[in-house]
Amino acid sequence: EIVLTQSPGTLSLSPGERATLSCRASQSVSSSYLAWYQQKPGQAPRLLIYGASSRATGIPDRFSGSGSGTDFTLTISRLEPEDFAVYYCQQYGSSPPATFGQGTKLEIK
Amino acid sequence: EVQLVESGGGLVQPGGSLRLSCSASGFTFSSYAMHWVRQAPGKGLEYVSAISSNGGSTYYADSVKGRFTISRDNSKNTLYLQMSSLRAEDTAVYYCVKGQTRGYSYGKFDYWGQGTLVTVSS
Repeated sequence: EIVLTQSPGTLSLSPGERATLSCRASQSVSSSYLAWYQQKPGQAPRLLIYGASSRATGIPDRFSGSGSGTDFTLTISRLEPEDFAVYYCQQYGSSPPATFGQGTKLEIK
Repeated sequence: EVQLVESGGGLVQPGGSLRLSCSASGFTFSSYAMHWVRQAPGKGLEYVSAISSNGGSTYYADSVKGRFTISRDNSKNTLYLQMSSLRAEDTAVYYCVKGQTRGYSYGKFDYWGQGTLVTVSS
């Protein structure tokens, strides 16, 4: 089973700054099957990025995804107040159909 | 508009049973695999179970295998999770999630319900 490790565990930044979140897989993941989700307190996760770099419907272009193989990155170019949340990477495969990273908390500095 | 509404959560004693339901609308329910994902209080996301669009294939995480049963009624646009032999570590918010493919493999999770809380405690 592929294990996804996210870093850092917590990222403290100010609005307007650039955020870079990392997701490392224990073995190679097809870029086609790597996603990022955003979760705010008391809410369900929301799909941000799929296929490593494609934005989901309605997601602002300040969010971008990149990477391949075992290393993937979510970048938020200029943080807005509503971007402070927990972010999860996910690989969606066959067995199991999905695994999640442990999450990165993006907090206001 | 896609909507997934979970119900059936609550407080149950260890060893007890509970059945969760997820009512789906806004899409052709019978065309998509569905999933359950849970989140223990203050913790991350844990994958629980999946079912293909026609119900013919299912998957369970090792942590719930033999205790949970996923099913669906395409005539009622409803997904179920029958949980038995519940343990304290099953305490979590359970999310109903729509897949993007007929099979449960290789499909991203494009819509999530709001979740239902299951608490296992004496």
